[in-house]
Parts: sequence; structure tokens; C-alpha cells
Amino acid sequence: AQTVTQSQPEMSVQEAETVTLSCTYDTSESDYYLFWYKQPPSRQMILVIRQEAYKQQNATENRFSVNFQKAAKSFSLKISDSQLGDAAMYFCAYRRTRSNDMRFGAGTRLTVKP
Amino acid sequence: GAVVSQHPSRVICKSGTSVKIECRSLDFQATTMFWYRQFPKQSLMLMATSNEGSKATYEQGVEKDKFLINHASLTLSTLTVTSAHPEDSSFYICSASRQGAGTEAFFGQGTRLTVV
Repeated sequence: AQTVTQSQPEMSVQEAETVTLSCTYDTSESDYYLFWYKQPPSRQMILVIRQEAYKQQNATENRFSVNFQKAAKSFSLKISDSQLGDAAMYFCAYRRTRSNDMRFGAGTRLTVKP
Repeated sequence: GAVVSQHPSRVICKSGTSVKIECRSLDFQATTMFWYRQFPKQSLMLMATSNEGSKATYEQGVEKDKFLINHASLTLSTLTVTSAHPEDSSFYICSASRQGAGTEAFFGQGTRLTVV
């Protein structure tokens, strides 16, 4: 079974600073997808960034980037120039290539201090 | 981006009654939709996979007779919580993906169910 682990229940960052959220996963598959989702107080799930396991290059989306270490099964999210609007729950998620269902980590609550 | 609409966003029902939650993909066809449950300050737990035209696939520990899923069309899946009890109170979220691998999941707005 695939499991996703987020070991940081809460994180805090100063506005304009950089923060890294950790995620590890366990799988026997070689081909899969990894995601970071953001859930603000509205509870709407918003995709932040996506990584295909077969790609060695780390995905980047503006201020958001990942450090994907396939051998270590690690998938951390770096948020640069943190903004107040970044405050939310962040969920790391795993999906097998042949399936559409996702498995989520426990989440990390990010607080951004002005 | 694709839109998934979930309705109602909030519902309060009496214990023993049934509640239906709808999940619609507004601008794409989804042969598969997913239903998640989220407890306060916790993660999303997959309950079941809704398959268009066939029976839903339930995760271990989820009562299929309690949580009835119907996926009658390529754009609509419904979750019915039957004979609801206070312990069924939770936040329920659906998601759907476009055809093909690698695509992200699009989530509905969620439904907060309170059973009194």
C-alpha cells in the first residue's frame, strides 16, 4: 500500500522569507505522480504543483518549487518570498500512473507572519 | 481549469434521515470520481471510487450500505448517507479527473454535513 507522510504538523514563516515543507512516501511502483495541494480556510483544494516520477527535473511554479528525491522517496515543497495568502493547510499527495485515486499525507498547517 | 461542483455546501439533518450530496464535472466527462471524508484538522481519507455505469469501489472499513454511491452519467456522481447518525458528521469532498494519466484531480467545494 502507498503511504504518504508529512512529519511537520505545523510550520511558520515570516512574510517574504522561504519555507520548506517535507513529504516522504512509500511505494513499490516506479511510475507515479506526486502533488502538493493547498487547502485555505474555504477548504477548497487547490493544486500547487505536480511532479511526474519519471522526470528528473524538479517542478517549479513561480514561487513554488519541489525537491524530488526519487531514491529517497522524498518530495519537499519550497515556498519562496512567502505571502500572507500562502497561509493554509498543505497536503502532499501520491497517485499511481494507472489509477486516478490519490493518497494524501496528514497535512502541514502553514502560518505566515507579517 | 476544469470545474467540479459539489452541492450542497452545507447540510444539517436529523438523526435517522438520509442525505444526498451531488458532485458534477461541469466542463469535462469523468468516468471516475472519488469521494473523500475529512475530519476536523485531519487529512482527506478516500472513501470510495465512483465508476460510471458500474458499482462503486469502497475502501476498507467504509460501509457501502451506509454510503451509497451512484454514478449514473459521465458528469454526475452522488453520495447518499443513509440513516445518518451524529458520527457521520464530517466534511465530504469529491474529486474528478479528466481521462488519461498524469492529470490533476479537480475538487468540489466540499459539503459540511451535521447530523443532529
